[in-house]
Amino acid sequence: EVQLVESGGGLVQPGGSLRLSCAASGFTFSSYWMSWVRQAPGKGLEWVANIKQDGSEKYYVDSVKGRFTISRDNAKNSLYLQMNSLRAEDTAVYYCASSSGGERYWGQGTLVTVSS
Amino acid sequence: DIQMTQSPSSLSASVGDRVTITCRASQGITNYLAWYQQKPGKVPKLLIYAASTLQSGVPSRFSGSGSGTDFTLTISSLQPEDVATYYCQKYNSAPRTFGQGTKVEIK
Repeated sequence: EVQLVESGGGLVQPGGSLRLSCAASGFTFSSYWMSWVRQAPGKGLEWVANIKQDGSEKYYVDSVKGRFTISRDNAKNSLYLQMNSLRAEDTAVYYCASSSGGERYWGQGTLVTVSS
Repeated sequence: DIQMTQSPSSLSASVGDRVTITCRASQGITNYLAWYQQKPGKVPKLLIYAASTLQSGVPSRFSGSGSGTDFTLTISSLQPEDVATYYCQKYNSAPRTFGQGTKVEIK
């Protein structure tokens, strides 16, 4: 059974940092692109970033470029999102997803709240 | 960047009705289009990829069509359990933009 479990969310002040993690199991993690997708409270889905199987290619939505960094550790079957210079508008549930013909499998999400 | 526009933003239909949701890309994306269902309080679920390929386990009343810039998600006979918000997403290249969503309710 495919499982994606996010962690690392929480309350952070504007300008602060957080590192999200996603632990994968039940599939060959190193064979898949992986993505982060977020959803602000009461709003729609927003794709944030993705990373190639070997980490050699990374892409970001414009609103997070220069502030967020996606990475992965295939030996640990883990995906990460380092979030710096956080803003109120980054408040959302953050999902990790395995990418194959769209975002095929999703975790349960972790809530990030940016507020003073 | 390519924009994805869904219509309508919401709809209300009766059980058994045929429901159609459209998604338009601002530039051609061949068939790199996915549809998702998100029930209230739940995680999004992939329904269709490659514009028309049903994900395993998805009921056959769901279907997708289209290519290039215009795409359609059809529910052939709406069921109470289909109450959800539906999103399209382009995945031919980054950014993998989602549509704004279509909320489906039962009349």
